[in-house]
Amino acid sequence: AQSVTQLGSHVSVSEGALVLLRCNYSSSVPPYLFWYVQYPNQGLQLLLKYTTGATLVKGINGFEAEFKKSETSFHLTKPSAHMSDAAEYFCAVSDGVGSQGNLIFGKGTKLSVKP
Amino acid sequence: EAEVAQSPRYKITEKSQAVAFWCDPISGHATLYWYRQILGQGPELLVQFQDESVVDDSQLPKDRFSAERLKGVDSTLKIQPAELGDSAMYLCASSQTGSGDEQFFGPGTRLTVL
Repeated sequence: AQSVTQLGSHVSVSEGALVLLRCNYSSSVPPYLFWYVQYPNQGLQLLLKYTTGATLVKGINGFEAEFKKSETSFHLTKPSAHMSDAAEYFCAVSDGVGSQGNLIFGKGTKLSVKP
Repeated sequence: EAEVAQSPRYKITEKSQAVAFWCDPISGHATLYWYRQILGQGPELLVQFQDESVVDDSQLPKDRFSAERLKGVDSTLKIQPAELGDSAMYLCASSQTGSGDEQFFGPGTRLTVL
């Protein structure tokens, strides 16, 4: 069975500082990996996804993530935090091609950005 | 830009009452998902449709929840009777084929059961 673990339910950074949100996954098949962002009382918006190919994936709003198979990780980073980045971030895994596409989500990490 | 539509955005009801949520996916998307998100948790899949057929409802509490997508387009999720523990955000998502495609989420319906 697949699972996702997000380390740290709450991360606080200063504006302009590095953002690092951690995600580890468990999957018996090559996974597809996703990061979504959710603002209060809104749906989820895709930041980036890894399917195959290049392991460093660039997404919207300056975010990127690196798929590390040996570490079963897919951590999300951004070099310089903006106030508008304050939101909740969810890492998710699916079985990939040929699957039903079901997403298994982590519990989320709430990012706070201090001025 | 095409979006997933959901209504209502907010619903307050008393326990034992019936509630229904509606979702209109992005045009042309064959796969539709309903998720439940409890406060402070990630979304959990309730039911997945491929066109008008249910392909996964293993996590749907079938004694009180039902879902339909009669014409393979829009969908309705119903709870009858509602219980206090059903208070959550109900999210609808759609994707083109469902096979690892990006899922596009609607704004959700926030349900409060009193």
